[in-house]
Amino acid sequence: DIEMTQSPSSLSASVGDRVTITCRANQGINNFLAWYQQKVGTVPKVLIYGASTLQSGVPSRFTGSGSGTDFTLTISSLQPEDVATYYCQSYKSAPLTFGGGTKVEIK
Amino acid sequence: EMQLVESGGVVIQPGGSLRLSCAASGFTFHNYAMHWVRQAPGKGLEWVSLISWDGSGTYYADSVKGRFTISRDNSKDSLYLQMNSLRAEDTALYHCVKDALLSGSGDWYFDLWGRGTLVTVSS
Repeated sequence: DIEMTQSPSSLSASVGDRVTITCRANQGINNFLAWYQQKVGTVPKVLIYGASTLQSGVPSRFTGSGSGTDFTLTISSLQPEDVATYYCQSYKSAPLTFGGGTKVEIK
Repeated sequence: EMQLVESGGVVIQPGGSLRLSCAASGFTFHNYAMHWVRQAPGKGLEWVSLISWDGSGTYYADSVKGRFTISRDNSKDSLYLQMNSLRAEDTALYHCVKDALLSGSGDWYFDLWGRGTLVTVSS
């Protein structure tokens, strides 16, 4: 099975900072990777699919990159409304797997 | 408006059985694969199961394989999860989740989540 390892598990940054979250697969998954944002008390929302394609309606400060085993979600300028936990998800094959999550807070 | 509404969550003893239901509306249900994803209290997301648009294909997480069965009734726009031999570690909020793309794409990522139904396994 594919395992997804996210890092860091949490981070604190200032408004306007560039934030980077990493997700690593234990085997190649091409670009079959999605990123989700989950704010407290709400359901997850897809931000990125196909490793780098921005879901409609998602602000352009969110970008995804990578292919194979190493992937990155970048927030170019952190905003207060970006406080959330972020998850990567592999959909290369079933069983589908999520990363452990990265909690993003404002310093 | 697209919507998924789960039901059936309860407090149940270890070893018990339970059936969760999900009612879909606002989209053409039979055009999409559907999933169950769970989230234990204070923990991350765990994919549980997937069913193809017509029910012919099903997949399970190793943690539930042989105990859980996913099914659907396209005539009722409904998804189900039969849960047997429940364990304490199955305690979680269970979300009904819609595939983002029309069936046949093979791209199993998610664009619509229900708010979930809470299953608590405890003696």
